[in-house]
Amino acid sequence: EAQVTQNPRYLITVTGKKLTVTCSQNMNHEYMSWYRQDPGLGLRQIYYSMNVEVTDKGDVPEGYKVSRKEKRNFPLILESPSPNQTSLYFCASSLKPPGQLTSYEQYFGPGTRLTVT
Amino acid sequence: AQSVSQHNHHVILSEAASLELGCNYSYGGTVNLFWYVQYPGQHLQLLLKYFSGDPLVKGIKGFEAEFIKSKFSFNLRKPSVQWSDTAEYFCAVILYGNNRLAFGKGNQVVVIP
Repeated sequence: EAQVTQNPRYLITVTGKKLTVTCSQNMNHEYMSWYRQDPGLGLRQIYYSMNVEVTDKGDVPEGYKVSRKEKRNFPLILESPSPNQTSLYFCASSLKPPGQLTSYEQYFGPGTRLTVT
Repeated sequence: AQSVSQHNHHVILSEAASLELGCNYSYGGTVNLFWYVQYPGQHLQLLLKYFSGDPLVKGIKGFEAEFIKSKFSFNLRKPSVQWSDTAEYFCAVILYGNNRLAFGKGNQVVVIP
């Protein structure tokens, strides 16, 4: 089954304790992206990746890191989490970037609800 | 700055009523447009998309959207909603050739049986 998986689905942690949220897709997609969803703010893009070893900042990259060592995986790293990073995080992937002449649908993972105390 | 606007963040309506959700964007140039739906507790799913051709786009579950270039709008419509349409709806826009998809703040729609 074609899907985007994220782990963990729920995480409660304390300020300053490094954490990683994993994202994996089995569709051989080139483009992957991380979003955070906050009430009243919608989804905001954190980072995206055009392909292996190619990553770039989205709209809200501060406090986050990513890597793309393999095509299928795109982990989100919080080196020193803070309470303002409490949010719902979604990973998404598409065959190609969505801003192309032939528009490619993004497939979203189930989300990771992170609470930083 | 480029932005995506969705108004009437909370919409409550009865079954069989018609639904229209507005989406306006401030990008200049060619855009690709999307509507996503998020059912309670679930991830986002694509309802429909527009990137060229007929500006009236039909999607899944009886939804449609019309791209009006002169108004920078991509409004979502459904003639007769069902209780199962209770969800949050997001408009998303990307400038052609760009790699960053921008979302609106969403419309929370509640359909009362």
